[in-house]
Amino acid sequence: DAGVIQSPRHEVTEMGQEVTLRCKPISGHNSLFWYRQTMMRGLELLIYFNNNVPIDDSGMPEDRFSAKMPNASFSTLKIQPSEPRDSAVYFCASSFDRENSPLHFGNGTRLTVT
Amino acid sequence: AQSVTQLDSQVPVFEEAPVELRCNYSSSVSVYLFWYVQYPNQGLQLLLKYLSGSTLVKGINGFEAEFNKSQTSFHLRKPSVHISDTAEYFCVSALYNFNKFYFGSGTKLNVKP
Repeated sequence: DAGVIQSPRHEVTEMGQEVTLRCKPISGHNSLFWYRQTMMRGLELLIYFNNNVPIDDSGMPEDRFSAKMPNASFSTLKIQPSEPRDSAVYFCASSFDRENSPLHFGNGTRLTVT
Repeated sequence: AQSVTQLDSQVPVFEEAPVELRCNYSSSVSVYLFWYVQYPNQGLQLLLKYLSGSTLVKGINGFEAEFNKSQTSFHLRKPSVHISDTAEYFCVSALYNFNKFYFGSGTKLNVKP
């Protein structure tokens, strides 16, 4: 089990640029979550998918943020255009929506927007 | 509605001392409870989980937690901490269908030599 894989590990970009974060969930998991972590606001749920369908995107900050899950093994979180206040660590997590299946987190992508 | 409250944002403790990190949950339905640990510059790792059965749950690294339904608590304990336990700890609850997870605000454990 390779765990949840996120890429890139670090991303530094200039304000106004497009940023795409990638996530490969654990094989067999059918729920996928994107979280953002900052010192000021802690851990925030941005969006979650179940069976590749977005179920709750109420945490997405604004229209600059979008997320897709084209298949069960891949998801992206895109920020366009990026702003300095988007600087944070973005985590992807996956689970199986049955009992005995907690969240499994990736190692995160540390995004810095200058 | 569900919510999770971690009563202490920071807990300083000396090495080899016991520690308790407090967590209270609120829910009108049965919940499942977890503790996660986040070491500096890393993702969150599952420490232990309570799904049903025995109310005393043992996890990795010598940690344990006790589910107390009457007090709606799920406190995390370790009898003797190490420097390597310095991390942030999150208490999490989940609904029965595991499609919604509720995070506490985290407790930073700082173990001093």
